[in-house]
Amino acid sequence: KNEVEQSPQNLTAQEGEFITINCSYSVGISALHWLQQHPGGGIVSLFMLSSGKKKHGRLIATINIQEKHSSLHITASHPRDSAVYICAVNWGTSGSRLTFGEGTQLTVNP
Amino acid sequence: GAVVSQHPSRVICKSGTSVKIECRSLDFQATTMFWYRQFPKQSLMLMATSNEGSKATYEQGVEKDKFLINHASLTLSTLTVTSAHPEDSSFYICSAFDMGQGAREQFFGPGTRLTVL
Repeated sequence: KNEVEQSPQNLTAQEGEFITINCSYSVGISALHWLQQHPGGGIVSLFMLSSGKKKHGRLIATINIQEKHSSLHITASHPRDSAVYICAVNWGTSGSRLTFGEGTQLTVNP
Repeated sequence: GAVVSQHPSRVICKSGTSVKIECRSLDFQATTMFWYRQFPKQSLMLMATSNEGSKATYEQGVEKDKFLINHASLTLSTLTVTSAHPEDSSFYICSAFDMGQGAREQFFGPGTRLTVL
């Protein structure tokens, strides 16, 4: 069964802390996505990557294809970063369909 | 980045009525759109894949006669929840994908919260 696992499920941090959210998947993928869902429900695509590392502002996403693992890092976290972060993958043979992880609820306290 | 809109953002209806939700790609042509359902504190569940000009492909367990999907143009897909019941209350999200660009990035709509009384 093709699976996507995220850890931790819940994460509470103090403002300014460095945060890491992890994602592991079971078989080969063509792309991995990091998504952000705010309490209102809307989803924003943060990154799509298939190798290496991407950076956007305080967010960094890395992927290790051999280890089937990706991490999302947030530097200098802020309360507005509080959201659910979701890892999703395109499996190698599934085209555009996404399989989602369960999400990580991040709360950053001031 | 690309923008996907959904309308309405929130709808409350009586049991037995039908509700139509629209998903529009505002600045690109979406050959493929996806409809998801999300229950509280759970991840997204794919309901169906909507392809412009052809019938939607439904996931196992999703009733196609209850959740009618129409993708009549390259910028609009609609999901109609027919004869809605309280158990259909959920958060419905669409995403749009332009396969013509060769990329797999999906753009998500803001979601529609459906409450059936």
